[in-house]
Amino acid sequence: DVKVTQSSRYLVKRTGEKVFLECVQDMDHENMFWYRQDPGLGLRLIYFSYDVKMKEKGDIPEGYSVSREKKERFSLILESASTNQTSMYLCASIRRLDARTGELFFGEGSRLTVL
Amino acid sequence: KQEVTQIPAALSVPEGENLVLNCSFTDSAIYNLQWFRQDPGKGLTSLLLIQSSQREQTSGRLNASLDKSSGRSTLYIAASQPGDSATYLCAVRSQGGSEKLVFGKGTKLTVNP
Repeated sequence: DVKVTQSSRYLVKRTGEKVFLECVQDMDHENMFWYRQDPGLGLRLIYFSYDVKMKEKGDIPEGYSVSREKKERFSLILESASTNQTSMYLCASIRRLDARTGELFFGEGSRLTVL
Repeated sequence: KQEVTQIPAALSVPEGENLVLNCSFTDSAIYNLQWFRQDPGKGLTSLLLIQSSQREQTSGRLNASLDKSSGRSTLYIAASQPGDSATYLCAVRSQGGSEKLVFGKGTKLTVNP
């Protein structure tokens, strides 16, 4: 079974802090995604990556950056956290060959609170 | 731009009832549609994936149908149980773009014992 692991389930940070959210998948998937989920707004795509060192902006990239140094790991970075970035962050992955027809697999989520 | 709608936003039913969750989408040019389950504070678990060429998919007590021409999908849950209580989301993968999934906002299901 595919396993997508988000290392931090719950984080509490202060405004202005730099925050790293880590995501690791164990199935050699090329494509990885970061979403945030907020009540009433649903899931929104922040960034995605098709391969190592490649990244593409999603629908709401402002205030975020990403890093993909290894195929299995996709990190989301908040350079200077703000209270409006309090949210549930979800990582997902899929094999490139399955990008059109396959299932997207999600991690357990990281609940970030910015005070 | 693809838009996905799920109505109702919340549903409460007694245990044992058969129920249907609805998902509609505006652009019928899709590769597939995926149904997910989300428990409170958790990630999304994939339930069923229907390709655009398929009419339905079944897994246990779950049956998902797809009518691409009308832009609709339904998730049928037979003999509901309290353990089915969760939020159910549908997502479509549109053609002609970056194959990103577009999500509905979900239906929160409560099955009462």
